[in-house]
Amino acid sequence: SYELTQPPSVSVSPGQTARITCSGDALPKQYAYWYQQKPGQAPILVIYKDTERPSGIPERFSGSSSGTTVTLTISGVQAEDEADYFCQSADNSGTNFYVVFGGGTKLTVL
Amino acid sequence: QVQLQESGPGRVKPSQTLSLTCTVSGDSVSNGDYFWSWIRQHPLKGLEWIGYINYSWTSYYNPSLKSRVTISLDTSKNQFSLKLSSVTAADTAVYYCARGSARHYFQHWGQGTLVTVSS
Repeated sequence: SYELTQPPSVSVSPGQTARITCSGDALPKQYAYWYQQKPGQAPILVIYKDTERPSGIPERFSGSSSGTTVTLTISGVQAEDEADYFCQSADNSGTNFYVVFGGGTKLTVL
Repeated sequence: QVQLQESGPGRVKPSQTLSLTCTVSGDSVSNGDYFWSWIRQHPLKGLEWIGYINYSWTSYYNPSLKSRVTISLDTSKNQFSLKLSSVTAADTAVYYCARGSARHYFQHWGQGTLVTVSS
């Protein structure tokens, strides 16, 4: 089955740049999406189609893609960015179709 | 503004069927541009896609759950529903409904509802 792999945790100081990676064999062929989730809340879409930012998402959130790895970058991290971040993609190879999420990365703002 | 709201029992006994409903406002479940989705999150763990359905009743399910899952539409009530049969403690999770785009991402989510499987 298709899997997306994320580091369990990333820590940065306020004002620094956080980079969260997500790896998967199908990522060169499928878009990746990123969600932010704070405790007790539903996920919020922060990046779609690898690099696009929905309206209302701060410009400090950006996405990039290279081969089998996509990266969520948060520039000038703020305390409010402390959350879990999940990548997501889809696999429609062959006769199967399904949506897959990465295991999540806990971003800690020191 | 699109809003989704899950409803259903918060506790289900082992071996029984979990049933949840998602009520949609601000859009129609007959809208052919979107897929109506269920996603769950086990306590302190990651997200797991359960499946989705579109306006023409085309449905896709997570292969790991496919034998136990049914997702359906009720266009008269602007709702869609989830049924998960033969539940065990491993099905204890927060269940979210969400609107999925044609590109298979989720921009609108319900607040989530915790379902506990326990006797």
